[in-house]
Amino acid sequence: EVQLLESGGDLVQPGGSLRLSCAASGFGFSDYGMTWVRQAPGKGLEWVAVIYKEGHITYYADSVKGRFTISRDNSKNTLYLQMNTLRVEDTALYYCVKAQGGRIQDWCFDSWGQGALVTVSS
Amino acid sequence: QSVLTQPPSVSGAPGQRVTISCTGNNSNIGAGYAVHWYHQLPGTAPKLVIYLTTKRPSGVPDRFSGSKSGTSASLAITGLQAEDEADYYCQSYDSSLRGYVFGTGTKVTVL
Repeated sequence: EVQLLESGGDLVQPGGSLRLSCAASGFGFSDYGMTWVRQAPGKGLEWVAVIYKEGHITYYADSVKGRFTISRDNSKNTLYLQMNTLRVEDTALYYCVKAQGGRIQDWCFDSWGQGALVTVSS
Repeated sequence: QSVLTQPPSVSGAPGQRVTISCTGNNSNIGAGYAVHWYHQLPGTAPKLVIYLTTKRPSGVPDRFSGSKSGTSASLAITGLQAEDEADYYCQSYDSSLRGYVFGTGTKVTVL
């Protein structure tokens, strides 16, 4: 059974930094692309970032480009999201998600963690 | 602001058929990228119910079906059941944004 367990969510002041981690188990972590998707309170889903299985190719939503960095350690089966220069509008539940599919443009998100809550407030 | 537009809500009586539309443009759905659908029960993580526009993951009942035409896609739920009451999101890829996009979300209510 696929399990994705996020950690690192916290209350942080605007301009601060935070790193989320996602421990993966139940599947060949190094064989799949991974993504982060966030959901602000009472709002819809927003894709944040994606990383190829090898870790050398990454893409970001414009809203976080230059501030967030997605990375992975395949030896530890762990996905990361380094978040810098946080803004109030980054407040959300951040989901760690396993991607599935052929070409990257057609990837779907087939397994989701329970989310890590990030609150940006003074 | 999402580039994929869904109706805010749809409703139906138990046993009825409801459809949810997902309207995009020629940078996403109209460009031939796959469409996927997720449902989300309150307080839980989203779950994939349709992938690659028409395929159902194992365990998803055949009451759920997907289709696409031009710059729009649709999710149909037949034989509506109380457990289908949830929020539903479509998802695709946008070549202009060079990233994935989700729909605005639709709340399905079982009357």
